[in-house]
Amino acid sequence: NAGVTQTPKFQVLKTGQSMTLQCAQDMNHNSMYWYRQDPGMGLRLIYYSASEGTTDKGEVPNGYNVSRLNKREFSLRLESAAPSQTSVYFCASSEELAVPTGYFGPGTRLLVL
Amino acid sequence: RKEVEQDPGPFNVPEGATVAFNCTYSNSASQSFFWYRQDCRKEPKLLMSVYSSGNEDGRFTAQLNRASQYISLLIRDSKLSDSATYLCAVNKLNYQLIWGAGTKLIIKP
Repeated sequence: NAGVTQTPKFQVLKTGQSMTLQCAQDMNHNSMYWYRQDPGMGLRLIYYSASEGTTDKGEVPNGYNVSRLNKREFSLRLESAAPSQTSVYFCASSEELAVPTGYFGPGTRLLVL
Repeated sequence: RKEVEQDPGPFNVPEGATVAFNCTYSNSASQSFFWYRQDCRKEPKLLMSVYSSGNEDGRFTAQLNRASQYISLLIRDSKLSDSATYLCAVNKLNYQLIWGAGTKLIIKP
């Protein structure tokens, strides 16, 4: 089992460019999450999907969109990147929303110039 | 005030020593509490859950103090491999996790 995988690992964008971060899990988990991590701050939830077919906003959703493509895949899209979106992005999954996630992807380091 | 706060450290501790750090939370309605470990440039990994009665796993002990609204993590007989950043997370009523910024621990030989 690969667990939670993310692509790409690194990305440099110019302000205004768009991109999609991909995430997949092979543990048959129902719930998936996107977080961002910035220096000196805790992980902040961007969006989550409690189950296939549903998505909900987290703490910091502005500037992002998500798609729960199927039970395995949950993508995060930046339509028009801004320097404030420079961060490390983690995808995570858990069996159910009420179960804390112990499974994170390796992260995507994004730099927006 | 942040919802979840941790001393950022770093805590510099000699190998074999005992070290403890706390995490305070502001929402008295919080239901569940967790400690995660994050190695440099890696993803967080669940270390242990924190139960009302306390929780022990080998050299690690986690405790919850609801009256003072903090959780603690105690590491006994610390190893070089314990060097990492320790994150606390608190589950809100809607099951979203709110995270502390982490405490950096450095174990010195």
